[in-house]
Amino acid sequence: GQNIDQPTEMTATEGAIVQINCTYQTSGFNGLFWYQQHAGEAPTFLSYNVLDGLEEKGRFSSFLSRSKGYSYLLLKELQMKDSASYLCAVTSFTGGGNKLTFGTGTQLKVEL
Amino acid sequence: DADVTQTPRNRITKTGKRIMLECSQTKGHDRMYWYRQDPGLGLRLIYYSFDVKDINKGEISDGYSVSRQAQAKFSLSLESAIPNQTALYFCATSDPGTSLNEQFFGPGTRLTVL
Repeated sequence: GQNIDQPTEMTATEGAIVQINCTYQTSGFNGLFWYQQHAGEAPTFLSYNVLDGLEEKGRFSSFLSRSKGYSYLLLKELQMKDSASYLCAVTSFTGGGNKLTFGTGTQLKVEL
Repeated sequence: DADVTQTPRNRITKTGKRIMLECSQTKGHDRMYWYRQDPGLGLRLIYYSFDVKDINKGEISDGYSVSRQAQAKFSLSLESAIPNQTALYFCATSDPGTSLNEQFFGPGTRLTVL
């Protein structure tokens, strides 16, 4: 089975840096996604890691350690619009294709 | 723009009623998924389909059924709705031809069962 853990809530200050952690246990690991979801809206893709290391994309970076079953999402220069839920999702290979399993999400609140 | 659409966007119904939620996509993706989202429980997979003749149960398929009428359409049915099926429902698509294979989500359907 799959097990994904991430903090329920985090609060940070505008302009600061925040790191959202995700740990997972899974079989057939085939990559890890981070999605952003504003309240009542659809999740939108932020990043994807399949190999160990850091992937940087503008203000957002994501890190993966497969041996530790660990990932983090780093958000720099926080803006008020970054207040959202951040979903960690692990993709695993099933017969015929990949399947995504989501964590429960981390609700980030950015304050002045 | 190529897109994923869901109808209806909001629905209120009564216990015991049959409900169908529809999903259409213009992305040309073979793979389609239905999720439900509940506060504190995250997104959970109900059913998924890797092509028109393929239907697979997800982790919470009881009480639901699906139909993949065409590559572009994937419908979710609640044969006899019950209050604990009140949730936000998302359809998603993905393209197995890409190494990334990210999922693209529709805008969601908010279903309330009274």
